[in-house]
Amino acid sequence: EDKVVQSPLSLVVHEGDTVTLNCSYEVTNFRSLLWYKQEKKAPTFLFMLTSSGIEKKSGRLSSILDKKELFSILNITATQTGDSAIYLCAVEADSGAGSYQLTFGKGTKLSVIP
Amino acid sequence: SQTIHQWPATLVQPVGSPLSLECTVEGTSNPNLYWYRQAAGRGLQLLFYSVGIGQISSEVPQNLSASRPQDRQFILSSKKLLLSDSGFYLCACGGQTLRVQYFGPGTRLTVT
Repeated sequence: EDKVVQSPLSLVVHEGDTVTLNCSYEVTNFRSLLWYKQEKKAPTFLFMLTSSGIEKKSGRLSSILDKKELFSILNITATQTGDSAIYLCAVEADSGAGSYQLTFGKGTKLSVIP
Repeated sequence: SQTIHQWPATLVQPVGSPLSLECTVEGTSNPNLYWYRQAAGRGLQLLFYSVGIGQISSEVPQNLSASRPQDRQFILSSKKLLLSDSGFYLCACGGQTLRVQYFGPGTRLTVT
């Protein structure tokens, strides 16, 4: 059974801090790893990672994948209150028949206090 | 880019009542469509996915069913709701060329 484990499950930091969120996985037929941010409603897409060691960056957020050790990290620098959300890690596997399935971790709830 | 619509946004239903949640997609054709449920402390659980009209795959045996009567319409149903069906239901759209799954706004279902 495919498995995605995120840590920590929750985190409280002060504005300006840097945080690192972790995601480890065990998946058959791995294709990619995705990070999403979920505030009140639907998850919004942040990054898709397919290759080891190549950092993806968007503003203060960055992420990297290690396919040998089967994990990824999501870094957020100079955190702001607007970064408060649940961050979801998902791993994409090829289930055959033209469908790509995502297995999600339980998420890390980040709270940024002023 | 695609837009995903879901309705209703919130729903309160008694145990034993039927359910119909609808998802429609704009801006893409022949998408893969997915239904997920998000319950407290459990993360996002894939319920059904569809690669085309009338093609439904179920991931979790339960009292829910799904149908895809049109290319960009995906419906989640139940004949009799259980308390354990409460949760946040999300429809997602992805595909062979659109491998990232994008989510609709969700329906929050409370079964009382």
